Amino acid sequence: EIVLTQSPGTLSLSPGERATLSCRASQSVSSSYLAWYQQKPGQAPRLLIYGASSRATGIPDRFSGSGSGTDFTLTISRLEPEDFAVYYCQQYGSSRAFGQGTKVEIK
Amino acid sequence: QLQLQESGPGLVKPSETLSLTCTVSGGSISSSSYYWGWIRQPPGKGLEWIGSIYYSGSTYYNPSLKSRVTISVDTSKNQFSLKLSSVTAADTAVYYCARHPYDFGLPGYMDVWGKGTTVTVSS
Repeated sequence: EIVLTQSPGTLSLSPGERATLSCRASQSVSSSYLAWYQQKPGQAPRLLIYGASSRATGIPDRFSGSGSGTDFTLTISRLEPEDFAVYYCQQYGSSRAFGQGTKVEIK
Repeated sequence: QLQLQESGPGLVKPSETLSLTCTVSGGSISSSSYYWGWIRQPPGKGLEWIGSIYYSGSTYYNPSLKSRVTISVDTSKNQFSLKLSSVTAADTAVYYCARHPYDFGLPGYMDVWGKGTTVTVSS
């Protein structure tokens, strides 16, 4: 079973700053089958990135994903007020599992 | 526009079976391009994949829940359902249904989600 570990647990940043979120897998994720989701309080998660680096429909280009193997990154180039939320990574190469989440909060 | 809506009891007694249904509108559950899945989120915690089903009835389950989970599909009603047996307080969560694009024969990421329904396990 692949375990995903996200870091940091909380990221405190100001609007306009760059956010870099990490997701590390306990084993290699086949074919870069890794996705990223954004979740705001009281809402369902929203798909941002799939296949490690492909943006989902309607997602702004300030969101980008990269990585392969065991190390993946979600980057938000310039934080907008609506980007403060919790972000989850998910692998779907071997079963399906989520990381524990990274909260991006306003500094 | 595809929409998913969860429904079912909001309160279940310990040791009983939790039953939820997801109704798909704006698209067909019989599409060969998608699996349909259940995910849950305990209060204040992260997301946990429960399992997924193809319109043909083929299923994949989280190994940690497999012994208690049954997911079924009713293509005539455009619905799929979750049953989780022998529930305890640890099964209290928001339960989401979602669509997975079909990826080399397996359920992939989740691209459309329902709003979620809260289920509390308590006597």
